[in-house]
Amino acid sequence: AQRVTQPEKLLSVFKGAPVELKCNYSYSGSPELFWYVQYSRQRLQLLLRHISRESIKGFTADLNKGETSFHLKKPFAQEEDSAMYYCALSENYGGATNKLIFGTGTLLAVQP
Amino acid sequence: EADIYQTPRYLVIGTGKKITLECSQTMGHDKMYWYQQDPGMELHLIHYSYGVNSTEKGDLSSESTVSRIRTEHFPLTLESARPSHTSQYLCASSEWGLSKNIQYFGAGTRLSVL
Repeated sequence: AQRVTQPEKLLSVFKGAPVELKCNYSYSGSPELFWYVQYSRQRLQLLLRHISRESIKGFTADLNKGETSFHLKKPFAQEEDSAMYYCALSENYGGATNKLIFGTGTLLAVQP
Repeated sequence: EADIYQTPRYLVIGTGKKITLECSQTMGHDKMYWYQQDPGMELHLIHYSYGVNSTEKGDLSSESTVSRIRTEHFPLTLESARPSHTSQYLCASSEWGLSKNIQYFGAGTRLSVL
């Protein structure tokens, strides 16, 4: 069955430290992977998607099909990065449904 | 302004009441979704729709029902609310097309059934 695993419920780092939020997935087809973010008192929004291959707010994520991972990285954390981060997988890549399967989320807390 | 709206934001209601959670979008999207999220848990898809008169059940079984009579409107109804329905409900929408596979979320409705 398709599944997205985020092993850390909470990740606490100091400002300026590197950040890596882990995401592993299981999927039999060719997945599309996303990172969504929810800042305090804001709605859930897209941070980045693997097919875009771009850096958003200093974050990058590379799809590693061999390790079935899509870890989110940032070299130097900022306090404004504190938020809840969800990794998500889209079923039926290229198909009609675009249903998302979410992980349980990781709360990133960046300490001053 | 193009957006996706959910009302009410918070709802506290007694057991047995019928409730409807509203979701409307002005983004011109054909696809709409309802997710349920318990505290500290992942979002689970409970309903989705490809367009008008199209509704499908999601991966998580739910006693709620949905309708899609208009493109912009996707309400969720619980005929008889129970404490087990207490949760957060998120509505989302997206366009068709491979390059448009991004979901936009509403602010959510927090439902408490006493």
